[in-house]
Amino acid sequence: EAGVAQSPRYKIIEKRQSVAFWCNPISGHATLYWYQQILGQGPKLLIQFQNNGVVDDSQLPKDRFSAERLKGVDSTLKIQPAKLEDSAVYLCASSRETPAEQYFGPGTRLTVT
Amino acid sequence: ILNVEQSPQSLHVQEGDSTNFTCSFPSSNFYALHWYRWETAKSPEALFVMTLNGDEKKKGRISATLNTKEGYSYLYIKGSQPEDSATYLCASNTGGFKTIFGAGTRLFVKA
Repeated sequence: EAGVAQSPRYKIIEKRQSVAFWCNPISGHATLYWYQQILGQGPKLLIQFQNNGVVDDSQLPKDRFSAERLKGVDSTLKIQPAKLEDSAVYLCASSRETPAEQYFGPGTRLTVT
Repeated sequence: ILNVEQSPQSLHVQEGDSTNFTCSFPSSNFYALHWYRWETAKSPEALFVMTLNGDEKKKGRISATLNTKEGYSYLYIKGSQPEDSATYLCASNTGGFKTIFGAGTRLFVKA
């Protein structure tokens, strides 16, 4: 089966600019996760969707981050405006159910200058 | 917010050495413990999912154990090879199914 797809793979922006990331999970996977991984730290869950509903967004900085999962399939994560501390790898993962083994995409490495 | 701790932070071993890492997690409200391997420039890849106290899982030279009463899991690698070099992440699911990752153990295996 095809894996989790993410784009872009790399993005460099200036602070205060906006950026959006896209994720296409494995077909049939109801649960989709967005993680932020800062160098030297473990992945931090930003938001978790079950189909197109939000299960957990307690660690999402809602003043600048937003995410949606239209029709319960693809998802986008947006940052507006970006700050220097947003520089990180943004990982998307999906699983057949919750909780279960998660399948990760290749990630998007964001650099904010 | 729960805390998942991993040790050591990094480990340098010679090819052929056996090694092990520790993951500690809050034992209350436990549901599942996951181990992932994350190689540089690749996606994290699931190794094991364990749910029951005393669970032991094995995949080739890698094995893991789980103690839910005291809140720890060990990952063992027998006869380390250079291709085992990666970051090993553990993640805990609580009763609410929130997933909390540790910071990982970075393994370097020298040929």
